[in-house]
Amino acid sequence: QQQVKQSPQSLIVQKGGIPIINCAYENTAFDYFPWYQQFPGKGPALLIAIRPDVSEKKEGRFTISFNKSAKQFSLHIMDSQPGDSATYFCAASIRRVVGSARQLTFGSGTQLTVLP
Amino acid sequence: NAGVTQTPKFQVLKTGQSMTLQCAQDMNHNSMYWYRQDPGMGLRLIYYSASEGTTDKGEVPNGYNVSRLNKREFSLRLESAAPSQTSVYFCASSEGSGLRYGYTFGSGTRLTVV
Repeated sequence: QQQVKQSPQSLIVQKGGIPIINCAYENTAFDYFPWYQQFPGKGPALLIAIRPDVSEKKEGRFTISFNKSAKQFSLHIMDSQPGDSATYFCAASIRRVVGSARQLTFGSGTQLTVLP
Repeated sequence: NAGVTQTPKFQVLKTGQSMTLQCAQDMNHNSMYWYRQDPGMGLRLIYYSASEGTTDKGEVPNGYNVSRLNKREFSLRLESAAPSQTSVYFCASSEGSGLRYGYTFGSGTRLTVV
């Protein structure tokens, strides 16, 4: 059962375009929503994250939009560059026990290609 | 700064063989994780360890065992490899729950079971 659904599977944009990647979740107990970026041959790396008490968060050219009532969140990349070409994963987590590790549940990933 | 180091980077096993994937982190993190990555399925949690001496099952633990040897090292063992375990395996660590700085991932082990 996939608890975090991500779309699209792949995305191609021109340099300067604004790719948008969408995710939807089912478990209303999720309280932390990060996005990870993965380059070929590397492990994923944290890009940006949001808590459900805010509707938007910006870090540089990356923005997360969060819609709690719809149980959806999305990543926007402003002024995209060829160097942004990577696979992007959304994720969600809950803390099951105070002080313990969180389990991240990942979406299926979006392969982004930014053409020069 | 090594971060999270995984060995080996590549491995081919025959069905029924066993092997141990090694993971070590030098960031003094309490929590460590093993994920597998398959095309179209994202990353799925196999096992995790909230602290030295504790381990817990994740989403897909069947066919795997883990050992948290000490605070730095967290190994993943396949006792009898099956073709369904062909995947890329990632080890990760986090400071506590990982809320502040996220997870730090290793560069992965690409395992093929024939």
